[in-house]
Amino acid sequence: EPEVTQTPSHQVTQMGQEVILRCVPISNHLYFYWYRQILGQKVEFLVSFYNNEISEKSEIFDDQFSVERPDGSNFTLKIRSTKLEDSAMYFCASSDSHNYGYTFGSGTRLTVV
Amino acid sequence: QKEVEQNSGPLSVPEGAIASLNCTYSDRGSQSFFWYRQYSGKSPELIMFIYSNGDKEDGRFTAQLNKASQYVSLLIRDSQPSDSATYLCASAPRFGAGTRLTVKP
Repeated sequence: EPEVTQTPSHQVTQMGQEVILRCVPISNHLYFYWYRQILGQKVEFLVSFYNNEISEKSEIFDDQFSVERPDGSNFTLKIRSTKLEDSAMYFCASSDSHNYGYTFGSGTRLTVV
Repeated sequence: QKEVEQNSGPLSVPEGAIASLNCTYSDRGSQSFFWYRQYSGKSPELIMFIYSNGDKEDGRFTAQLNKASQYVSLLIRDSQPSDSATYLCASAPRFGAGTRLTVKP
């Protein structure tokens, strides 16, 4: 079964530091997404990415966030200057069609101290 | 503001019963709707997708979509204790807050 791979599984960073969360989507998928889930809360949409550009972003996805597909396999989320409230589980997802549902990775737990 | 609303529950049903989960969405332009299941500490896993009005059945699960009412539902027949999880409705790409379902043996 193809899967979405996220690394690292857990990252601890100091407030104000930059972090890059990495994802390898399923190889033939064209649509990519980042979500976050603060402990005990809902899954929040951050951004969708298609054809090498952002297709949609939420109000959460401000100038502190950026996404990149640096090569044919990786998809990254960068947070420039982390805040305590950025502590959450970050999920990457991918899909071969916008209609058929997304496959989620197992997530990266980000802890900002 | 594009919103997806779900009854937060919790919903408790006995084993073998039908569980009914409901969802409304605000974005009239939304085309695709998904139901996911999320076990505690795990990532969401897709149960069903639906994009046409009406019912769609897959095993014990039936999704229903009514675009005029902006309403999506999920029925789980013959509920099992292993179905106990949080069920997330999505109006792509946004998710609702989830409904926690407990199936009691």
